[in-house]
Amino acid sequence: GAVVSQHPSWVICKSGTSVKIECRSLDFQATTMFWYRQFPKQSLMLMATSNEGSKATYEQGVEKDKFLINHASLTLSTLTVTSAHPEDSSFYICSARDRDQGSGTSSFYNEQFFGPGTRLTVL
Amino acid sequence: KNQVEQSPQSLIILEGKNCTLQCNYTVSPFSNLRWYKQDTGRGPVSLTIMTFSENTKSNGRYTATLDADTKQSSLHITASQLSDSASYICVVRPFTGNQFYFGTGTSLTVIP
Repeated sequence: GAVVSQHPSWVICKSGTSVKIECRSLDFQATTMFWYRQFPKQSLMLMATSNEGSKATYEQGVEKDKFLINHASLTLSTLTVTSAHPEDSSFYICSARDRDQGSGTSSFYNEQFFGPGTRLTVL
Repeated sequence: KNQVEQSPQSLIILEGKNCTLQCNYTVSPFSNLRWYKQDTGRGPVSLTIMTFSENTKSNGRYTATLDADTKQSSLHITASQLSDSASYICVVRPFTGNQFYFGTGTSLTVIP
């Protein structure tokens, strides 16, 4: 259980276009989803935290108008990179936190489950 | 300031050998610490999770230890395999809030 999927797994686009990345929790409900960006040989950098039904909370330095996040349901969050430029090329990873259910192992540890990532290349 | 530091930054070992990765953190108060394995081009996968009251946790050939007093954790890999080549990330969660603090990772390469 606790599988998180991302779509697409990779995307190449022209500069100036917008790209949407989907993050789905396949077998659990996620009230909170996180979006990360990872550059080569660097660790994950948190971009934003999204809670279902409310606006995302962006980390300092992340432009909310450029990286649009929608978390419309308990199993789906989307990240849209608007007017993408080559410097936006990166590996984007989402994670989902299991909704607290009480005594389950994952909820006890407040585990977050990561998606496989999306490689974005902007030409 | 909450920080998580890992060492070494990179490591190359021969197949079959053991190795130990280190994680030092300043996050306080602290709820739990996790070790993740991230293969190149993939998302991180959880290896172990420990709360502040746990000293050790094993998952196959992976054994994590935690010293909450010194705020140090280690991940020991026994009898390394080529498939262990990956980045290993230490993540600490504070007692309150949604934030997770990521270490910079250790890149492990296992060579035949």
